[in-house]
Amino acid sequence: GAVVSQHPSRVICKSGTSVKIECRSLDFQATTMFWYRQFPKQSLMLMATSNEGSKATYEQGVEKDKFLINHASLTLSTLTVTSAHPEDSSFYICSALSSGGSYEQYFGPGTRLTVT
Amino acid sequence: GNSVTQMEGPVTLSEEAFLTINCTYTATGYPSLFWYVQYPGEGLQLLLKATKADDKGSNKGFEATYRKETTSFHLEKGSVQVSDSAVYFCALSVPGSNDYKLSFGAGTTVTVRA
Repeated sequence: GAVVSQHPSRVICKSGTSVKIECRSLDFQATTMFWYRQFPKQSLMLMATSNEGSKATYEQGVEKDKFLINHASLTLSTLTVTSAHPEDSSFYICSALSSGGSYEQYFGPGTRLTVT
Repeated sequence: GNSVTQMEGPVTLSEEAFLTINCTYTATGYPSLFWYVQYPGEGLQLLLKATKADDKGSNKGFEATYRKETTSFHLEKGSVQVSDSAVYFCALSVPGSNDYKLSFGAGTTVTVRA
Protein backbone atom coordinates (compact mmCIF):
# COMPACT_ATOMS: atom_id res chain seq x y z
CA GLY A 1 0.00 0.00 0.00
CA ALA A 2 0.92 3.64 -0.29
CA VAL A 3 3.18 4.89 2.49
CA VAL A 4 3.61 8.43 3.73
CA SER A 5 6.33 9.34 6.19
CA GLN A 6 6.82 12.38 8.37
CA HIS A 7 9.96 13.66 9.96
CA PRO A 8 10.53 14.31 12.74
CA SER A 9 8.00 12.33 14.73
CA ARG A 10 8.55 14.52 17.77
CA VAL A 11 10.23 17.88 18.17
CA ILE A 12 10.67 20.24 21.06
CA CYS A 13 11.73 23.78 20.32
CA LYS A 14 12.08 27.06 22.14
CA SER A 15 9.67 29.90 21.70
CA GLY A 16 10.69 32.18 18.83
CA THR A 17 12.49 29.54 16.80
CA SER A 18 11.29 27.94 13.56
CA VAL A 19 10.64 24.26 12.98
CA LYS A 20 10.41 22.38 9.69
CA ILE A 21 8.33 19.23 9.29
CA GLU A 22 8.75 17.02 6.24
CA CYS A 23 6.10 14.90 4.60
CA ARG A 24 7.15 12.33 2.01
CA SER A 25 5.21 9.94 -0.17
CA LEU A 26 7.52 6.94 -0.32
CA ASP A 27 6.16 4.83 -3.14
CA PHE A 28 3.96 7.11 -5.17
CA GLN A 29 3.92 10.62 -6.54
CA ALA A 30 1.60 13.15 -5.05
CA THR A 31 0.86 16.43 -6.76
CA THR A 32 -1.37 17.33 -3.83
CA MET A 33 -0.66 17.00 -0.13
CA PHE A 34 -2.65 18.25 2.81
CA TRP A 35 -1.56 19.54 6.20
CA TYR A 36 -3.75 19.07 9.25
CA ARG A 37 -3.53 20.11 12.84
CA GLN A 38 -5.04 18.07 15.63
CA PHE A 39 -5.63 19.30 19.15
CA PRO A 40 -5.88 16.81 22.03
CA LYS A 41 -9.03 14.72 21.83
CA GLN A 42 -10.28 16.65 18.82
CA SER A 43 -10.73 16.06 15.14
CA LEU A 44 -8.36 17.05 12.39
CA MET A 45 -8.43 20.62 11.22
CA LEU A 46 -7.32 21.17 7.63
CA MET A 47 -4.72 23.91 7.53
CA ALA A 48 -3.74 24.01 3.89
CA THR A 49 -3.58 22.23 0.58
CA SER A 50 -0.10 21.90 -0.84
CA ASN A 51 0.24 21.67 -4.61
CA GLU A 52 3.49 20.71 -6.30
CA GLY A 53 5.03 23.63 -8.10
CA SER A 54 2.54 26.21 -6.95
CA LYS A 55 1.54 28.15 -3.88
CA ALA A 56 -0.33 26.42 -1.12
CA THR A 57 -3.98 27.16 -0.51
CA TYR A 58 -4.68 28.00 3.10
CA GLU A 59 -7.93 27.48 4.95
CA GLN A 60 -9.66 30.43 6.48
CA GLY A 61 -8.04 31.58 9.68
CA VAL A 62 -4.67 29.93 9.04
CA GLU A 63 -1.78 32.40 8.84
CA LYS A 64 0.21 31.70 5.71
CA ASP A 65 3.20 33.68 6.96
CA LYS A 66 3.21 31.66 10.14
CA PHE A 67 2.86 28.25 8.54
CA LEU A 68 5.04 28.17 5.44
CA ILE A 69 4.41 25.34 3.03
CA ASN A 70 6.71 24.26 0.25
CA HIS A 71 5.90 21.45 -2.16
CA ALA A 72 9.13 21.29 -4.09
CA SER A 73 8.79 17.85 -5.61
CA LEU A 74 6.19 15.19 -6.31
CA THR A 75 7.17 13.31 -3.18
CA LEU A 76 7.98 16.00 -0.64
CA SER A 77 6.07 18.76 1.09
CA THR A 78 7.39 20.73 4.04
CA LEU A 79 5.62 22.73 6.71
CA THR A 80 7.66 25.32 8.55
CA VAL A 81 6.24 26.80 11.73
CA THR A 82 7.92 30.18 11.97
CA SER A 83 8.58 32.00 15.22
CA ALA A 84 6.88 29.25 17.13
CA HIS A 85 4.97 29.97 20.32
CA PRO A 86 3.55 27.62 22.95
CA GLU A 87 0.10 27.89 21.39
CA ASP A 88 1.53 26.30 18.24
CA SER A 89 2.16 23.12 20.21
CA SER A 90 0.06 20.46 18.55
CA PHE A 91 0.01 17.25 16.54
CA TYR A 92 0.58 17.98 12.86
CA ILE A 93 -0.46 15.39 10.31
CA CYS A 94 0.08 15.38 6.58
CA SER A 95 -1.61 13.36 3.89
CA ALA A 96 -0.78 12.73 0.25
CA LEU A 97 -3.40 12.40 -2.43
CA SER A 98 -2.97 9.43 -4.71
CA SER A 99 -3.74 10.37 -8.27
CA GLY A 100 -3.65 6.83 -9.54
CA GLY A 101 -7.40 6.66 -10.04
CA SER A 102 -8.63 6.29 -6.47
CA TYR A 103 -7.86 9.86 -5.37
CA GLU A 104 -7.46 8.57 -1.87
CA GLN A 105 -5.59 10.38 0.88
CA TYR A 106 -2.81 8.49 2.62
CA PHE A 107 -1.81 9.84 6.00
CA GLY A 108 1.54 10.24 7.63
CA PRO A 109 2.13 9.15 11.23
CA GLY A 110 2.09 12.70 12.53
CA THR A 111 4.57 15.04 14.21
CA ARG A 112 4.21 16.10 17.83
CA LEU A 113 5.44 19.68 18.21
CA THR A 114 6.05 21.08 21.67
CA VAL A 115 7.09 24.70 21.99
CA THR A 116 8.57 25.65 25.35
CA GLY B 1 -21.43 22.61 2.34
CA ASN B 2 -20.10 19.23 3.38
CA SER B 3 -20.27 18.02 6.94
CA VAL B 4 -20.13 14.85 8.97
CA THR B 5 -21.82 14.18 12.28
CA GLN B 6 -20.81 11.17 14.28
CA MET B 7 -21.77 9.73 17.59
CA GLU B 8 -20.02 11.34 20.48
CA GLY B 9 -17.97 9.23 22.78
CA PRO B 10 -16.30 8.04 24.66
CA VAL B 11 -17.54 4.51 24.18
CA THR B 12 -16.41 1.80 26.59
CA LEU B 13 -17.10 -1.83 25.84
CA SER B 14 -16.15 -5.25 27.05
CA GLU B 15 -14.26 -7.63 24.80
CA GLU B 16 -16.51 -9.51 22.34
CA ALA B 17 -19.24 -6.88 22.62
CA PHE B 18 -20.98 -5.41 19.58
CA LEU B 19 -19.85 -1.97 18.46
CA THR B 20 -21.84 0.59 16.51
CA ILE B 21 -20.71 4.13 15.80
CA ASN B 22 -23.29 6.26 14.03
CA CYS B 23 -22.31 8.61 11.24
CA THR B 24 -24.51 10.85 9.11
CA TYR B 25 -23.50 13.33 6.48
CA THR B 26 -24.56 16.24 4.35
CA ALA B 27 -22.86 16.85 1.06
CA THR B 28 -23.13 18.86 -2.12
CA GLY B 29 -22.67 16.28 -4.80
CA TYR B 30 -22.17 12.55 -4.57
CA PRO B 31 -19.67 11.84 -1.80
CA SER B 32 -17.32 8.99 -1.11
CA LEU B 33 -17.46 7.91 2.52
CA PHE B 34 -14.65 6.74 4.76
CA TRP B 35 -13.89 5.46 8.22
CA TYR B 36 -10.43 6.16 9.56
CA VAL B 37 -8.89 4.80 12.74
CA GLN B 38 -6.26 6.50 14.86
CA TYR B 39 -4.33 4.55 17.45
CA PRO B 40 -2.73 6.43 20.34
CA GLY B 41 0.10 8.68 19.22
CA GLU B 42 -0.23 7.76 15.56
CA GLY B 43 -1.62 9.20 12.36
CA LEU B 44 -4.77 8.06 10.64
CA GLN B 45 -5.23 4.77 8.87
CA LEU B 46 -7.99 4.11 6.40
CA LEU B 47 -10.23 1.42 7.85
CA LEU B 48 -12.80 1.12 5.08
CA LYS B 49 -14.59 3.11 2.43
CA ALA B 50 -17.57 3.13 0.10
CA THR B 51 -17.95 5.16 -3.04
CA LYS B 52 -21.56 4.66 -4.05
CA ALA B 53 -24.96 3.98 -2.56
CA ASP B 54 -25.52 0.52 -1.07
CA ASP B 55 -21.81 -0.26 -1.20
CA LYS B 56 -20.54 -2.02 1.89
CA GLY B 57 -17.02 -1.34 3.03
CA SER B 58 -15.39 -3.96 5.24
CA ASN B 59 -12.04 -4.57 6.86
CA LYS B 60 -10.72 -6.31 9.99
CA GLY B 61 -14.25 -7.35 10.97
CA PHE B 62 -15.62 -3.82 10.66
CA GLU B 63 -18.40 -3.00 8.22
CA ALA B 64 -20.25 0.09 7.06
CA THR B 65 -22.93 0.45 4.40
CA TYR B 66 -23.43 3.61 2.34
CA ARG B 67 -27.10 4.50 2.84
CA LYS B 68 -28.08 7.33 0.56
CA GLU B 69 -31.70 7.38 1.69
CA THR B 70 -30.72 8.05 5.29
CA THR B 71 -27.41 9.81 4.46
CA SER B 72 -25.64 7.47 6.86
CA PHE B 73 -22.50 5.34 7.05
CA HIS B 74 -22.65 3.64 10.44
CA LEU B 75 -19.65 1.58 11.53
CA GLU B 76 -20.24 -1.84 13.09
CA LYS B 77 -18.20 -4.70 14.45
CA GLY B 78 -19.73 -7.81 15.87
CA SER B 79 -17.09 -8.75 18.42
CA VAL B 80 -14.53 -6.17 19.49
CA GLN B 81 -11.08 -6.85 20.88
CA VAL B 82 -8.86 -4.84 23.19
CA SER B 83 -6.72 -4.00 20.16
CA ASP B 84 -9.70 -2.14 18.64
CA SER B 85 -9.31 0.59 21.25
CA ALA B 86 -8.72 3.72 19.22
CA VAL B 87 -10.35 6.88 17.91
CA TYR B 88 -12.59 6.39 14.90
CA PHE B 89 -13.30 9.16 12.40
CA CYS B 90 -16.02 9.22 9.79
CA ALA B 91 -15.19 11.34 6.76
CA LEU B 92 -16.34 12.24 3.29
CA SER B 93 -14.98 13.74 0.12
CA VAL B 94 -16.69 14.66 -3.08
CA PRO B 95 -14.65 13.39 -6.01
CA GLY B 96 -14.13 15.88 -8.76
CA SER B 97 -14.84 18.89 -6.59
CA ASN B 98 -13.38 20.72 -3.65
CA ASP B 99 -9.89 19.45 -4.45
CA TYR B 100 -10.61 16.09 -2.81
CA LYS B 101 -10.59 17.61 0.64
CA LEU B 102 -11.82 15.39 3.44
CA SER B 103 -14.46 16.57 5.85
CA PHE B 104 -14.09 14.77 9.18
CA GLY B 105 -16.47 14.06 11.97
CA ALA B 106 -15.43 14.88 15.51
CA GLY B 107 -14.11 11.41 16.21
CA THR B 108 -15.33 8.74 18.62
CA THR B 109 -13.00 7.30 21.23
CA VAL B 110 -13.55 3.60 21.78
CA THR B 111 -12.07 1.73 24.72
CA VAL B 112 -12.39 -2.03 24.90
CA ARG B 113 -11.78 -3.65 28.27
CA ALA B 114 -10.60 -7.21 28.67
